[in-house]
Amino acid sequence: GENVEQHPSTLSVQEGDSAVIKCTYSDSASNYFPWYKQELGKRPQLIIDIRSNVGEKKDQRIAVTLNKTAKHFSLHITETQPEDSAVYFCAASQGGGGADGLTFGKGTHLIIQP
Amino acid sequence: GAGVSQSPRYKVAKRGQDVALRCDPISGHVSLFWYQQALGQGPEFLTYFQNEAQLDKSGLPSDRFFAERPEGSVSTLKIQRTQQEDSAVYLCASSFAGYEQYFGPGTRLTVT
Repeated sequence: GENVEQHPSTLSVQEGDSAVIKCTYSDSASNYFPWYKQELGKRPQLIIDIRSNVGEKKDQRIAVTLNKTAKHFSLHITETQPEDSAVYFCAASQGGGGADGLTFGKGTHLIIQP
Repeated sequence: GAGVSQSPRYKVAKRGQDVALRCDPISGHVSLFWYQQALGQGPEFLTYFQNEAQLDKSGLPSDRFFAERPEGSVSTLKIQRTQQEDSAVYLCASSFAGYEQYFGPGTRLTVT
């Protein structure tokens, strides 16, 4: 089955700086890669996703890049703000008509220092 | 519109009791997923429905876990003879076309 590795487990950055979280996956059949933000005691919230037919996607301060050859994808957050503090999870799956369950990484605790 | 809802939000069960957890997906979403999230970990896949058909139950940890979605909308996850290792947050997610999955708030199960 799929295996997703995520690094780092904790990331502390100064407010206004950029944060990068990296994930690798093992199953070349995976074609859908979402990122979720989870605040303490809350539900995982989808913040951005990418499908395997594109290499990069951007939404305001958040961007995701995908390297299918190397089987890794990354989340980039620019101009970090205190409200960005949370646990971030990457995930991988086969999406669309042949959808299966998401395989999640272990999470990155992002701390924004004021 | 309304998001995914789950009930109860909290459940305390004595070891050996049976529990039933409910998920109401977003209206019109064909796919429904159940996940288990232990404290400090990422969600782990349990099972997946497309309409009323259970297409994948490979993540269910034992035969004490059973899920159903008889009319292709509401789903129930049942755990029989609960054990302490079943304590976790149980998350439900729904999806329209098999890509974006939207999660409910979860049910926090504590087995004493």
